[in-house]
Amino acid sequence: QSVLTQPPSASGTPGQRVTISCSASRAKIGTNTINWYQQLPGTAPKLLIYSNNQRPSGVPDRFSGSKSGTSASLAISGLQSEDEADYYCAAWDDSVVGVLFGGGTKLTVL
Amino acid sequence: QLHLQESASGLVKPSQTLSLTCAVSGDSIGSSPFAWSWIRQPPGKGLEWIGYIFQTGSSVYNPSLKSRVTISVDRAKNQFSLNLTSVTAADTAVYYCGRGWGGGGKIDYWGQGTLVTVSS
Repeated sequence: QSVLTQPPSASGTPGQRVTISCSASRAKIGTNTINWYQQLPGTAPKLLIYSNNQRPSGVPDRFSGSKSGTSASLAISGLQSEDEADYYCAAWDDSVVGVLFGGGTKLTVL
Repeated sequence: QLHLQESASGLVKPSQTLSLTCAVSGDSIGSSPFAWSWIRQPPGKGLEWIGYIFQTGSSVYNPSLKSRVTISVDRAKNQFSLNLTSVTAADTAVYYCGRGWGGGGKIDYWGQGTLVTVSS
């Protein structure tokens, strides 16, 4: 079981707003910033959100991130069919001086 | 624009060594402060961080793989490599290389990934 827990699946209809949660089971990890990755089918992951709520250049503002305590969320507003993908949260793990990934959430656009 | 490209080792027999190289273009490994990283993804499963190396040669590995992993850097060729020894079927995965940042740990550029299958 991952130290970063995500729901295995989420869904929404076009135009809706959906959120995906990421919860850290170790408090020390929870104090670090969260990054989010989007993995479209058959492709490499892409950095979507970093430092909890920052968007890299080119990422639409429909995507937003937030963090409170040891929980983080990714929100997607105005859901589009091309948002159907796997989404992973990740955090820096001081105990191993490396990256810890959540188990991933498969988002289905109905 | 930064580009990373993994070499393919394709099929590896059990107990042998998996070897991959990531060629970097658009940035110089030797003059950048980044953590050049390896990540893998077993078929149908999630992402697993393997480790990273700095241009100094200093490296850090996932404790679960540490006894079998070596990451090295070739500054002259602007590439870094992954060796994973004593492989089993559990090491079958798509292997990605990426450019990581220390501290926050974001990986902002990823290679396209290469599938390595461990099978006799």
